[in-house]
Amino acid sequence: RKEVEQDPGPFNVPEGATVAFNCTYSNSASQSFFWYRQDCRKEPKLLMSVYSSGNEDGRFTAQLNRASQYISLLIRDSKLSDSATYLCVVNPGSARQLTFGSGTQLTVLP
Amino acid sequence: DGGITQSPKYLFRKEGQNVTLSCEQNLNHDAMYWYRQDPGQGLRLIYYSQIVNDFQKGDIAEGYSVSREKKESFPLTVTSAQKNPTAFYLCASIRGGPQNTEAFFGQGTRLTVV
Repeated sequence: RKEVEQDPGPFNVPEGATVAFNCTYSNSASQSFFWYRQDCRKEPKLLMSVYSSGNEDGRFTAQLNRASQYISLLIRDSKLSDSATYLCVVNPGSARQLTFGSGTQLTVLP
Repeated sequence: DGGITQSPKYLFRKEGQNVTLSCEQNLNHDAMYWYRQDPGQGLRLIYYSQIVNDFQKGDIAEGYSVSREKKESFPLTVTSAQKNPTAFYLCASIRGGPQNTEAFFGQGTRLTVV
C-alpha cells in the first residue's frame, strides 16, 4: 500500500461547480497534512495546511479525518484558474518530513 | 527576497555523461530535498539532508549523488549509472522541526538525455 494515495483523476468540471478530492494515508502517526497545487511544468506551491478541526480559505475547505486516515479538499465555485494538479502531502513524523501523493488533475471548463 | 534557486532550468545530457544540478537557498533552512517527477506522476524522493555534512538516501537514490558542504547549497549529480535520467528535478527546503514543515521549492530543472 502506498504511503499516500490519491485519485489521479482527471476531474473535468464546469465553471462554478463544486469539486472534492480525497487522499488517504497509511501511517497513523502522521503529524501534519497539506494540500499543494502544481501548475503544468511548474514547481508545487502550498495551497493550505490541514488542521484537525478543518479549515477554510475562501472557496477552499480542507478536512482531516484521523480515524479513517484521510484528508479532503473541497473547492467551491470553481474558476478556470483552479485548473492544476493538487498534491496531498503528509508529514509522517520521520526525518523525511514530507511524503507526496501522486496528485489529482483538475480541469475547469468554460 | 529569500528563496530557493535551481539552475539550470533546462539541461541536456549525453549518454554516459555526469551532470550536476545546482540548488541554493537563502532561507536559512536546515533541511533540503531532491525529488524527481516523471510526466503524470508524483514526486519521488532521491536524497535529503537535515544538516550540513549529512545526507540520507531516499526511495530512488541509485545513480545519483549529493553533497551538503554548506547550509545554503545541496547540489545533485546525475551519474552515468542512472539509466533513465530524463525527468523534472525539484529541490525543496524546509526550516525544520515538527511545526515548520512547509516546503519551499525551486523552479525545477528539466533534464533530457540526448
